[in-house]
Amino acid sequence: RKEVEQDPGPFNVPEGATVAFNCTYSNSASQSFFWYRQDCRKEPKLLMSVYSSGNEDGRFTAQLNRASQYISLLIRDSKLSDSATYLCVVLHYNQGGKLIFGQGTELSVKP
Amino acid sequence: DAGVIQSPRHEVTEMGQEVTLRCKPISGHNSLFWYRQTMMRGLELLIYFNNNVPIDDSGMPEDRFSAKMPNASFSTLKIQPSEPRDSAVYFCASSGGLAGTVEYFGPGTRLTVT
Repeated sequence: RKEVEQDPGPFNVPEGATVAFNCTYSNSASQSFFWYRQDCRKEPKLLMSVYSSGNEDGRFTAQLNRASQYISLLIRDSKLSDSATYLCVVLHYNQGGKLIFGQGTELSVKP
Repeated sequence: DAGVIQSPRHEVTEMGQEVTLRCKPISGHNSLFWYRQTMMRGLELLIYFNNNVPIDDSGMPEDRFSAKMPNASFSTLKIQPSEPRDSAVYFCASSGGLAGTVEYFGPGTRLTVT
């Protein structure tokens, strides 16, 4: 079983739709959580950190459920420019502080 | 700031040849990471350095791979001899703290071994 699992998609949605991505992680010692975005043939870029209380950045909302070892990302009013792969990332210091990346969820927003 | 700089951006080589990938981290960052990305395995951490010292190289696939960081502004990842299964995109990333703080990725080197 992979340490970080995501639905690979692709998610094909129309502009303006709300879309949610889920991610589960297997190591309960994981301590920090992030969502990265990767455009086709480009490098990953940090989208947002995920805090225990949940956090929002404009149209993006991230949630963390430590009991269920589950992270989510909600995108509201999706734009064409949101088309990308979204990577769920966890960190646990007992593995030397390595970031562990999920395989990514592909999103395609259509006009 | 120019961001993380990697060279070359593309490399095509024949099996058995030595390949050297280069990385210049963001000035002032003290942690540097080498990742490999393939369709099959996704993004994998190969090795990371803190203050030029290798902290964790457990992700290095085998002895054919080696990495050095002779100073705070330069690192290399070497594959010798290269094999077709090494074909991937290799990313270098840097951060201002230990692993787990925000990492900034370079544009990557797309390696093809024929």
